[in-house]
Amino acid sequence: KAGVTQTPRYLIKTRGQQVTLSCSPISGHRSVSWYQQTPGQGLQFLFEYFSETQRNKGNFPGRFSGRQFSNSRSEMNVSTLELGDSALYLCASSLGLAGDGEQFFGPGTRLTVL
Amino acid sequence: GESVGLHLPTLSVQEGDNSIINCAYSNSASDYFIWYKQESGKGPQFIIDIRSNMDKRQGQRVTVLLNKTVKHLSLQIAATQPGDSAVYFCAENFIKFYFGSGTKLNVKP
Repeated sequence: KAGVTQTPRYLIKTRGQQVTLSCSPISGHRSVSWYQQTPGQGLQFLFEYFSETQRNKGNFPGRFSGRQFSNSRSEMNVSTLELGDSALYLCASSLGLAGDGEQFFGPGTRLTVL
Repeated sequence: GESVGLHLPTLSVQEGDNSIINCAYSNSASDYFIWYKQESGKGPQFIIDIRSNMDKRQGQRVTVLLNKTVKHLSLQIAATQPGDSAVYFCAENFIKFYFGSGTKLNVKP
């Protein structure tokens, strides 16, 4: 069974631009969660989608948004990029809701904002 | 928000020894805990989980201990191998997941 895939793997943007990241969960998984990982803050929860509905949201500004499609694939968007948005963005999928069982992480998208 | 912390940021052990990585969590209502391993350039990899109705769970070479009284979680790795070198995170779940900052495990051959 294929694992969680994320595209692109690396991305370089400039301040003020916007970016869209994509995540394809493991086949059959209905939940996708997004995380931001930085050396200073560690792993921080962004949001979770389950059956196309946002179930939970972390403490991030409205510039961070996401959605999930009927095939469970998910995208997250960051608008008006800031230098501090440089991070590794990870998505994780699970069969049911994230807290109900094991989450499988993708390799991440490394975003650099110049 | 909630916080999950680690006592030791870096742990060095000799190959073949047992490793113990500790984690303190802050929310007594958290009911699900996971240990992850993250190697350089990769996403976190699930190691073992435990629910709050248990105090110990064993996997292959790994054991997780949960002490709800002091809100403490530990990961024990038996016969540590060079391939175990990575950063280890604990995570607690109460509505959503909160992650610790990570402990780097160095295994010396």
